Amino acid sequence: NAGVTQTPKFQVLKTGQSMTLQCAQDMNHEYMSWYRQDPGMGLRLIHYSVGAGITDQGEVPNGYNVSRSTTEDFPLRLLSAAPSQTSVYFCASSYSMDNSYEQYFGPGTRLTVT
Amino acid sequence: KNQVEQSPQSLIILEGKNCTLQCNYTVSPFSNLRWYKQDTGRGPVSLTIMTFSENTKSNGRYTATLDADTKQSSLHITASQLSDSASYICVVSAGSGGYQKVTFGTGTKLQVIP
Repeated sequence: NAGVTQTPKFQVLKTGQSMTLQCAQDMNHEYMSWYRQDPGMGLRLIHYSVGAGITDQGEVPNGYNVSRSTTEDFPLRLLSAAPSQTSVYFCASSYSMDNSYEQYFGPGTRLTVT
Repeated sequence: KNQVEQSPQSLIILEGKNCTLQCNYTVSPFSNLRWYKQDTGRGPVSLTIMTFSENTKSNGRYTATLDADTKQSSLHITASQLSDSASYICVVSAGSGGYQKVTFGTGTKLQVIP
């Protein structure tokens, strides 16, 4: 099993550009989520999904869109990148959104917006 | 407001020595507490999880303790190895059943030197 994969690993964008961060998992997990990690702050939840076709907002959803057309994939779209979105982005998956089940994190995407 | 505070922010220890990392939380209603290890450039990986009724949990050389009365947890690392160099993140869940609010601490950055 590959677990949770993310692409790209690194990305530089100019302000106003759009892009999609890819996330895929091969564990047949229903629950998937996106976090951002900034220096001096804990991971913060952006969006999450409890199954194909179902998504919801997390703590910091502004400027990001998600969709979940399959169980495996959960892409994160930046519509118009801003310097405040410079961060490391992690995708995670779990059997359930009940946190007693372990979340498996991807390796992250380091995004810089200039 | 749910908060998770970790101390120290960073720590340098000699290989073979023991160390203890602290986590204080103000989360209600408490569901569980998880410790993660995050290697540089990688996603977090779960080390232990404890519920309200558990006060200690071990995973090899890692031992986590929980005092639900004082809302404190610690992670003790025994006989440290160079591979223990990483950030250690305390994560506390509030709520029950379907939706749980998860709060991440900012982490303790541990460096083990020869």
